[in-house]
Amino acid sequence: DADVTQTPRNRITKTGKRIMLECSQTKGHDRMYWYRQDPGLGLRLIYYSFDVKDINKGEISDGYSVSRQAQAKFSLSLESAIPNQTALYFCATSDRGNSGGPAGELFFGEGSRLTVL
Amino acid sequence: GQNIDQPTEMTATEGAIVQINCTYQTSGFNGLFWYQQHAGEAPTFLSYNVLDGLEEKGRFSSFLSRSKGYSYLLLKELQMKDSASYLCAVRDRRFLTSGSARQLTFGSGTQLTVLP
Repeated sequence: DADVTQTPRNRITKTGKRIMLECSQTKGHDRMYWYRQDPGLGLRLIYYSFDVKDINKGEISDGYSVSRQAQAKFSLSLESAIPNQTALYFCATSDRGNSGGPAGELFFGEGSRLTVL
Repeated sequence: GQNIDQPTEMTATEGAIVQINCTYQTSGFNGLFWYQQHAGEAPTFLSYNVLDGLEEKGRFSSFLSRSKGYSYLLLKELQMKDSASYLCAVRDRRFLTSGSARQLTFGSGTQLTVLP
């Protein structure tokens, strides 16, 4: 089983619909992130959370909201989806650097491909 | 803010050596990562540099020069399975209301195609 699990893996929806992408992790990491990936633009940070009570905007947070329901769960919502939110969305986790790897090394989920018509 | 540049595409031949460059401009530099991403899959960690110099890991090596804002990923003895996108990512220290925090910002990626 994957350490970082995203659901759904694929979703097609219509403009104006509310969409939630969910992420859960079994790595025990405090830090969780949502990125979107578009061709030619790389990975861009939407929101991140360093613990359950901490939520921070990334570089492209407009049109998105998040909820950190527990240490292991971090969901991304699109309140009213629009076509330019069509993208591949990745959830990622990281620890504080005390597990032997470099602090900040990201562990990614398998991605959620969202299409907004 | 940050600016990270890497070539969009590269092509090389199986068995050859390829160097993928990455230049960056950032304040509060705190480390540089390289990730590999196969089409339709999640990125996976390849290497990390925080001090100047070369880090070697099997067929892959990564170099960093902080004074020049420059890194490269060197892939030796290329194999067909190395065809993928290679992402350069820079970590810097951002100051938030809750205290300092470090964020990772990605370049657009270099699509490497290995030909037989």
